Order: sequence, then structure tokens, then C-alpha cells
Amino acid sequence: EVQLMESGGGLVQPGGSLRLSCAASGFTFTNYWMSWVRQAPGKGLEWVANIKQDGSKKYYLDSVKGRFTISRDNAENSLYLQMNILQTEDTAVYYCASVGARQLYESWGQGTLVTVSS
Amino acid sequence: QSVLTQPPSVSAAPGQRVTISCSGSSSNIGNNYVSWYQQLPGTAPKVLIYDNNKRPSGIPDRFSGSKSGTSATLGITGLQTGDEADYYCGTWDSSLSAGVFGGGTKLTVL
Repeated sequence: EVQLMESGGGLVQPGGSLRLSCAASGFTFTNYWMSWVRQAPGKGLEWVANIKQDGSKKYYLDSVKGRFTISRDNAENSLYLQMNILQTEDTAVYYCASVGARQLYESWGQGTLVTVSS
Repeated sequence: QSVLTQPPSVSAAPGQRVTISCSGSSSNIGNNYVSWYQQLPGTAPKVLIYDNNKRPSGIPDRFSGSKSGTSATLGITGLQTGDEADYYCGTWDSSLSAGVFGGGTKLTVL
């Protein structure tokens, strides 16, 4: 059974940092691009970042470029999102997702809530 | 403002049919495949349709997808109260080099 389990969310002050993790199991992690997708309270889905199977290519939402860094550890079947200079607009549930062919978000975690507030 | 445009809400009676549109441009829907996701209240999204019109195993054939030019459509027949959810279209935007989603459509089964 495919499982994606996010962790690391919480309350942080504006300008602060947070590192999200996603533990993957039940599928061959190294075969997949991986994504972070977020959802602000009461709002729709917003793609945040993608990373290639070997970590050699990364893509980011314009509003997080220079502040967020996506990475992965294939030996540990884990995906990460380092978030710096957090802003109130970054408040959201953050989901990790495995990305199949043609940008299909095949499997999703349960999400972790990040709240940026003073 | 989402790159892909969906109606905010649709509604229909149980047993009826409903369609949800997703409008984009040549840099996204026009030259890439579209997928559709269902998000039940309080849960993570799940795949309903991929590659414009394919259903993953376990998704009933009441759900269908189509694409024409720069627009895509999700169809749901034989509506059930359990279909009440938010529905999102998604694809890749080749100009932005970014994933894009529609703003989501809330389906109410009256």
C-alpha cells in the first residue's frame, strides 16, 4: 500500500523557518518525481515545487523561489521542503505527492498544517 | 487568480448528470494532459481522471473526462450524495515551468 506521511508543520512567526518532511513507502520512490502542493484555509490547491527522481531538476512556484528548497533522500525514501523567510500568505496545509507521467499527482499524503502568525 | 478557470460551484439532483469545465491556454491544457481530482471534506485529494480521459482502477465509469483545444471537462452521471466534494483540474504549464490547478468547483447534490 502506498503511503506518504508528512511531518514538521506547526506555528511559526513571520520571517521564520520550518522544514517539512515526507516519508514514502509502498512504492519505488526512485521511479517518481515528487511534489509539494499546498492549500490555504478554505482555498484551492496550489502547486509549490517539483523534484526529479535523482534530484537534478527542481521547479518552484514563483512566489516561493529563493525562499523554499525542495530536496529528497532516496536512501531514506524521504522528501523535504525547507521553508525560509515565511510569510503569512504561506499559511496552508502542505501535501506531498508522487508525480506520475504527465504531471499526474498519483498519491497524496494526509497533509501537515503550517501556520505563519505573530 | 488561478491559471486554470473552473466554475466555483455546480449543483444537481441525485441521479442527474453534471459537467465541470476547466479552461486554460495553449501553454497548459492546449499542449499537456489534464487530470482531475476529488477532495472530499477534510481529506486529501485523490485522482479521478488522468491523461484527459482515463480512470484509475476503482473509479466508477460514472466519472468521465474529455479535452478539446484549451478546455477540459469532467462529467459525472448518476449523481450520489457521496459525490459532494470539491473537484480540481490540473496540468503542467510549459511557459511557466510550473504545475497549475483550477480554482476548484464545489459540487452540491441537492
